Amino acid sequence: EDQVTQSPEALRLQEGESSSLNCSYTVSGLRGLFWYRQDPGKGPEFLFTLYSAGEEKEKERLKATLTKKESFLHITAPKPEDSATYLCAVQAAASYGKLTFGQGTILTVHP
Amino acid sequence: NAGVTQTPKFQVLKTGQSMTLQCAQDMNHEYMSWYRQDPGMGLRLIHYSVGAGITDQGEVPNGYNVSRSTTEDFPLRLLSAAPSQTSVYFCASRGGWGEGNEQFFGPGTRLTVL
Repeated sequence: EDQVTQSPEALRLQEGESSSLNCSYTVSGLRGLFWYRQDPGKGPEFLFTLYSAGEEKEKERLKATLTKKESFLHITAPKPEDSATYLCAVQAAASYGKLTFGQGTILTVHP
Repeated sequence: NAGVTQTPKFQVLKTGQSMTLQCAQDMNHEYMSWYRQDPGMGLRLIHYSVGAGITDQGEVPNGYNVSRSTTEDFPLRLLSAAPSQTSVYFCASRGGWGEGNEQFFGPGTRLTVL
């Protein structure tokens, strides 16, 4: 059974204080690992897809990395507008589209 | 493009009532799915469809029914609502693998069953 565990559950940062969110996963053949951002009362918004160990992707202050067992979402010099819940999900190789999600990390960035 | 749209945004039902949550996408995506999101549980897959006329069960299908008569629409039916179905429901769609591979999510329907 595919599993995704995210840590920490909640993270409070001061503006400009860099940190990382962790996503540990077990899947029977990884087709893709996805990061989403979710704001309160809204649907998840796509950030990145990672396909293989060693891959990295960046977008503004966010950088996602992937190993064979986990992914990290690094946030550099965060701003209050980065406050959101960050979701990690995996898709198995045998799955056409089913995503298995973690519970998310609630990030709060204080000015 | 409107992307993925869902109606209604909010709904309150009494136990035993039935209703249909609507989902539509205008991106000509083959793959569509329904998730529910509960506190501490993350998003869980209810049903999905890989094209018109083709549907299959996800992780938590009991109490829900789906059909896919067109590429654009993928309604979710609650047959006899129960308090355990109180949740936020999200519809998502995706094109074929290789087209960015991201799933686009709708804004959600917040359902309360009394």
